[in-house]
Amino acid sequence: GAVVSQHPSRVICKSGTSVKIECRSLDFQATTMFWYRQFPKQSLMLMATSNEGSKATYEQGVEKDKFLINHASLTLSTLTVTSAHPEDSSFYICSAREGVTDTQYFGPGTRLTVL
Amino acid sequence: AQTVTQSQPEMSVQEAETVTLSCTYDTSENNYYLFWYKQPPSRQMILVIRQEAYKQQNATENRFSVNFQKAAKSFSLKISDSQLGDTAMYFCAFMKTGTYKYIFGTGTRLKVLA
Repeated sequence: GAVVSQHPSRVICKSGTSVKIECRSLDFQATTMFWYRQFPKQSLMLMATSNEGSKATYEQGVEKDKFLINHASLTLSTLTVTSAHPEDSSFYICSAREGVTDTQYFGPGTRLTVL
Repeated sequence: AQTVTQSQPEMSVQEAETVTLSCTYDTSENNYYLFWYKQPPSRQMILVIRQEAYKQQNATENRFSVNFQKAAKSFSLKISDSQLGDTAMYFCAFMKTGTYKYIFGTGTRLKVLA
């Protein structure tokens, strides 16, 4: 099946710094990618929808200035957590929609820890 | 708004036995998809099975099958001949047709016992 990668898999940063997480579709073009957040032992919550070449659409309650999303190409979307705080510590998962089969594939996730 | 409810936080089953995970959902939509995803300790989300709401026939994938009751808004997952590798968190998910946005339930942690 299609593969979606995320980089880095783990990141630890200091409070107040910014962190960028990459999501790549390795063998297909993804016009739409999605970013989810998963707290420990909880479900995945959709944060935003990322469309190639246009602005991301954020879910209610998600601060767009805090979580910057850029979908610069058909295979890459990035999520930047700006001025990170300990409460931003979480597991971030992306998914990418493969247009031909209309199937979504998930990345392996990125664990962010903010000290 | 749509909601997805998984009422069993944890379940266990003996290897080779059958187990059923429950999922109910609430929606006013007519056109949607339902999914079961598996999240093993690696945290990688893996699609187990998918059901189109317009199809009356229950989906099956090898040892995995669903019981889709549209009127009751119920979508349970049956795992037959459970294997140790089935140990994982299982999420039920709803997606309105055309949105591609998943709404996930809270998950059921399944442990298969040797």
